[in-house]
Amino acid sequence: GDSVTQMEGPVTLSEEAFLTINCTYTATGYPSLFWYVQYPGEGLQLLLKATKADDKGSNKGFEATYRKETTSFHLEKGSVQVSDSAVYFCAASNFGNEKLTFGTGTRLTIIP
Amino acid sequence: SQTIHQWPATLVQPVGSPLSLECTVEGTSNPNLYWYRQAAGRGLQLLFYSVGIGQISSEVPQNLSASRPQDRQFILSSKKLLLSDSGFYLCAWSRIGDQPQHFGDGTRLSIL
Repeated sequence: GDSVTQMEGPVTLSEEAFLTINCTYTATGYPSLFWYVQYPGEGLQLLLKATKADDKGSNKGFEATYRKETTSFHLEKGSVQVSDSAVYFCAASNFGNEKLTFGTGTRLTIIP
Repeated sequence: SQTIHQWPATLVQPVGSPLSLECTVEGTSNPNLYWYRQAAGRGLQLLFYSVGIGQISSEVPQNLSASRPQDRQFILSSKKLLLSDSGFYLCAWSRIGDQPQHFGDGTRLSIL
């Protein structure tokens, strides 16, 4: 079946550090890929997405590129802020686009 | 624009009591609807999804049930709650045949 594997965490970085959170997937066909962010006590918010190979999704300084050859969608940000502290989820759509398969989430803490 | 509402935001219930959580979507027609559970510090578990009125797919067998009495209304129920039902319950919607999903703010359920 479909699966999404992401960096376990927790990840702790200093402010202005470079961030990478790894995400790889296995799926039938070519899924759409997503990163969601969950701030404490809140629901999930869509951060960015990519729908085909080599697409780059970007938002709020975060970027991720759909790499078909490595089945990956790693999340990156060049300079993190304290306000980026949250849990980040990678997700992939299933073949019929009815469901999403989520990774287990990566808790990110940024210290000033 | 589309909005999704979940209520209540928090709920404390005794073991063995019934449960009813409600989710409604505004600003769109015939959405796909989803119920997830997130245990403390854990990832997302898809419980149910629905592609239309009266159509419910169950992902995980348990003592919970879901119903969709109207196009944009999705209800999560239980006749007798267990301690293991504690968690953060999230409702989400997406367009038919499309992703991403858009999440509500969640209901934090504590079972005593």
